[in-house]
Amino acid sequence: EAQVTQNPRYLITVTGKKLTVTCSQNMNHEYMSWYRQDPGLGLRQIYYSMNVEVTDKGDVPEGYKVSRKEKRNFPLILESPSPNQTSLYFCASSRTGFEQETQYFGPGTRLLVL
Amino acid sequence: AQKITQTQPGMFVQEKEAVTLDCTYDTSDPSYGLFWYKQPSSGEMIFLIYQGSYDQQNATEGRYSLNFQKARKSANLVISASQLGDSAMYFCAMREAYSSASKIIFGSGTRLSIRP
Repeated sequence: EAQVTQNPRYLITVTGKKLTVTCSQNMNHEYMSWYRQDPGLGLRQIYYSMNVEVTDKGDVPEGYKVSRKEKRNFPLILESPSPNQTSLYFCASSRTGFEQETQYFGPGTRLLVL
Repeated sequence: AQKITQTQPGMFVQEKEAVTLDCTYDTSDPSYGLFWYKQPSSGEMIFLIYQGSYDQQNATEGRYSLNFQKARKSANLVISASQLGDSAMYFCAMREAYSSASKIIFGSGTRLSIRP
């Protein structure tokens, strides 16, 4: 089944404890992206990747890191999480970065930073 | 700068009625794509419909259609014969070809509630 997977689905952590949210897709998609969703703000793009070893900042990259060493994986790293990073996080992928390509989303990761 | 505006935070509609969810956008890019997603209470993001900026006809997918008015920069989602299962958050999104190097922006969403 074609899908985007994220792990963990739920995470409670404390301020300053490094964490990684994994994202993997099995569709051989070139483009991958991370979003955070907060009430009243919709989804905001954190980072995106056009292909392996090619990443760029979205609209809210502060406090996050990403890497794209393999085509299928795009982990999101929070080096020192803070309470304002409490959010619902989505990973998404599309075949390419062209404007007509539909993105497919993972199931989401709910993060609570205490 | 690219921007998506959804002016209806919430809507209530009677079952079986048609509903229109508003979306306006702002871009200087001549080529772009517009998308609608549905987010039920379970949280997943479900792709509904796509409209390309050069498409001559409005997109349709089953009960979903997109009322695309390019000159007015609007891309409203129309759901015909609404069902209880249509109750969800709906997001409009835009993807530009050139200006923003494949960044994608979303509107703030509209929460649709269908009354039986």
